[in-house]
Amino acid sequence: QKEVEQDPGPLSVPEGAIVSLNCTYSNSAFQYFMWYRQYSRKGPELLMYTYSSGNKEDGRFTAQVDKSSKYISLFIRDSQPSDSATYLCAFESGSARQLTFGSGTQLTVLP
Amino acid sequence: DTAVSQTPKYLVTQMGNDKSIKCEQNLGHDTMYWYKQDSKKFLKIMFSYNNKELIINETVPNRFSPKSPDKAHLNLHINSLELGDSAVYFCASSQDGLGGYTFGSGTRLTVV
Repeated sequence: QKEVEQDPGPLSVPEGAIVSLNCTYSNSAFQYFMWYRQYSRKGPELLMYTYSSGNKEDGRFTAQVDKSSKYISLFIRDSQPSDSATYLCAFESGSARQLTFGSGTQLTVLP
Repeated sequence: DTAVSQTPKYLVTQMGNDKSIKCEQNLGHDTMYWYKQDSKKFLKIMFSYNNKELIINETVPNRFSPKSPDKAHLNLHINSLELGDSAVYFCASSQDGLGGYTFGSGTRLTVV
């Protein structure tokens, strides 16, 4: 079983839709949970960072963590064409703060 | 001001050559990393340095050698380049107590 499984997509939605992106994980040592956004030919950019189960909201973005089910989600409300990118879930573990990434979900928001 | 900058952005080179990629961060972070992103966009850690000390050294060929002259710089030297080394290499930095990493914009290496 892979440490991290992420819905591969691609996902295509109309502008204004609510988008749900998901990852499951198997490693109980993961302590921190993140979502990164990566535009084409750019580096990943941190969107959301959390360490506890529950929801964390930042503008149109909500990160949800369920540690008991080993499941994290990112919700994007009122999606915009500028949200078109690859979204990567990431998990931090160990004193060296190593990140383990999902394989990414490519999202396209159509105007 | 670019927080994490890598040079060069693009590198095309022949098999067997030796090349270096440079990374600098102006965020004052203690820890720097090299990640490799393959053609399927999968990001995997290669190395990590904390205050010039190597703390993560994943299973990569010993043709890859990182060097950190000071905590703001982390370079990657690759000897005897092979076709399979073609990928995008990302430098990143982080600070204890602050969440997440800051990534550079990547170096796209193509070995022909």
